[in-house]
Amino acid sequence: AQSVTQLDSQVPVFEEAPVELRCNYSSSVSVYLFWYVQYPNQGLQLLLKYLSGSTLVKGINGFEAEFNKSQTSFHLRKPSVHISDTAEYFCAVTSGGGYQKVTFGIGTKLQVIP
Amino acid sequence: DAGITQSPRHKVTETGTPVTLRCHQTENHRYMYWYRQDPGHGLRLIHYSYGVKDTDKGEVSDGYSVSRSKTEDFLLTLESATSSQTSVYFCAISESLAKVEKLFFGSGTQLSVL
Repeated sequence: AQSVTQLDSQVPVFEEAPVELRCNYSSSVSVYLFWYVQYPNQGLQLLLKYLSGSTLVKGINGFEAEFNKSQTSFHLRKPSVHISDTAEYFCAVTSGGGYQKVTFGIGTKLQVIP
Repeated sequence: DAGITQSPRHKVTETGTPVTLRCHQTENHRYMYWYRQDPGHGLRLIHYSYGVKDTDKGEVSDGYSVSRSKTEDFLLTLESATSSQTSVYFCAISESLAKVEKLFFGSGTQLSVL
């Protein structure tokens, strides 16, 4: 079985400050990891993904995440946030076999304070 | 943006009434999914479809049924709505199970069961 834990339900941060959103996963096999972003009243959009290769992955809007197998983590980071980054962020994991086996975290609400 | 339209966008209904939500896509993707999003639970898969008239249950399928008579349309039906089915419902599509990163979401339907 696979699972994903997002450790923070809400993260307030001042504009232009750095931010880290934490995600830990568990799986007995190799995994693919994702971060999705959901802006108010919209569906989820893929922010970045780790499938294989380099453990540091870069996504859209200046976000990046690092896959750490030993710590079973996939934390999302941005060095300087903007007001427009205010949204909810979801970590997701799958060990393959199609989307019916994708497990989403409960989400982290990022609130950027002017 | 992927061509996914969910209707209605908002619906209020009474306990015990039937409700049907519609997902329409213009991408000709084979796979379609219904998720529900609830605070503290993230996204959970209700049902999915891997072709016309081919559907299967997801994680939280009790109380829901689906139908797919055409590639472009995937219907979610609550036969007798209950208050526990108050949620935001998202449709998603994908071209291939192998391309795990290419999952696109609609804008959601807010359903309130009173």
